[in-house]
Amino acid sequence: DMKVTQMPRYLIKRMGENVLLECGQDMSHETMYWYRQDPGLGLQLIYISYDVDSNSEGDIPKGYRVSRKKREHFSLILDSAKTNQTSVYFCASSPRDKYAEQFFGPGTRLTVL
Amino acid sequence: GDSVTQKEGLVTLTEGLPVMLNCTYQTIYSNAFLFWYVHYLNESPRLLLKSSTDNKRTEHQGFHATLHKSSSSFHLQKSSAQLSDSALYYCALITPGTGSNRLTFGKGTKFSLIP
Repeated sequence: DMKVTQMPRYLIKRMGENVLLECGQDMSHETMYWYRQDPGLGLQLIYISYDVDSNSEGDIPKGYRVSRKKREHFSLILDSAKTNQTSVYFCASSPRDKYAEQFFGPGTRLTVL
Repeated sequence: GDSVTQKEGLVTLTEGLPVMLNCTYQTIYSNAFLFWYVHYLNESPRLLLKSSTDNKRTEHQGFHATLHKSSSSFHLQKSSAQLSDSALYYCALITPGTGSNRLTFGKGTKFSLIP
């Protein structure tokens, strides 16, 4: 069963705390993505990873970093979270093929107080 | 750079009526690939349909769209909308110029049906 998983699904943190969001996929996809979704802004790309240790900034990377040490896992890290990072975060994966479908995870709702 | 415009942020319709969600795009490349993704509440966003062929109708799950390169449009249509179609719809674009798998998304259109 092809799947993208995300943990945790819900998270509440205080401003200044560190946040780790984790994503996994069982399809051996080379490419993985982190997006955030905000009302009226849609899906915004934070980072893209082309394979292990091959990561590139997306459109809004400031305040975020990523780690990909295994093809099936992709982590998003917020060092010292800010209230404006309250959002729903989606992970996605796709095969290397340029025009391939992206498969999305269920999302993580992060609230930073 | 590339961009996608979905001019309606919210579309509200009575069930059974036809619907069209607008999508236009800008790119300097002639071989753009357009996508519609749908995001139902409490589910993951997923691909609805895609196309790269000019003037060819693409259909899936009762929805259809035709890529018109002359007007840079890829509007999503359905002849009779159902309550179950209520969702957030994203139009997106990939062009060879990006050199990657990066999708450029529009801001999304929330589609809400009234019984």
